Amino acid sequence: GAVVSQHPSRVICKSGTSVKIECRSLDFQATTMFWYRQFPKQSLMLMATSNEGSKATYEQGVEKDKFLINHASLTLSTLTVTSAHPEDSSFYICSARDPRSSSEKLFFGSGTQLSVL
Amino acid sequence: DQQVKQNSPSLSVQEGRISILNCDYTNSMFDYFLWYKKYPAEGPTFLISISSIKDKNEDGRFTVFLNKSAKHLSLHIVPSQPGDSAVYFCAASNYGGSQGNLIFGKGTKLSVKP
Repeated sequence: GAVVSQHPSRVICKSGTSVKIECRSLDFQATTMFWYRQFPKQSLMLMATSNEGSKATYEQGVEKDKFLINHASLTLSTLTVTSAHPEDSSFYICSARDPRSSSEKLFFGSGTQLSVL
Repeated sequence: DQQVKQNSPSLSVQEGRISILNCDYTNSMFDYFLWYKKYPAEGPTFLISISSIKDKNEDGRFTVFLNKSAKHLSLHIVPSQPGDSAVYFCAASNYGGSQGNLIFGKGTKLSVKP
């Protein structure tokens, strides 16, 4: 099946710093990637939809100036958490659909556990 | 308001027995449903899916049943194995919707005891 790679898997940072998370589709081109966030014992919540070559679409309540998304190529999307605070500590996961498949199935990266001290 | 609900946060089953995980949804526009399995600190992996034109889909030990009138679906795992222990997420999609993303339930943690 299609492979989505996410890096880093774990980040611990100080409050006020910025953190960049990379998401790559390894064997397919993804014009759209989805960024999810999961708090403990909660569902995966969609934060934003990353569109190659254009602006990302953010879900209600997600600050676009805080969560910067760049989708500069068909295989790479990045999420930057700017001026991170402890409340941003969460599990961030990217995903994409394989355009070669007619399925609605999303392939997920391995996730990034962000801990802001 | 949650559109996809998994009301059981956890389920414990003996090895070899059947595991039944349930999921309810409220949006009648959903036309495709998926189950994902997730281990701690990992991304979800796809398990099985079903289109709204079907009421059953089977793949090995995994079977998903869809009851559209009740807006309910379930995942059956038989026989259950200790390696099945994970959190299972139900997800729904409105194919052709403006964003094409999946809406997830909160998950059910399955523990299969040897």
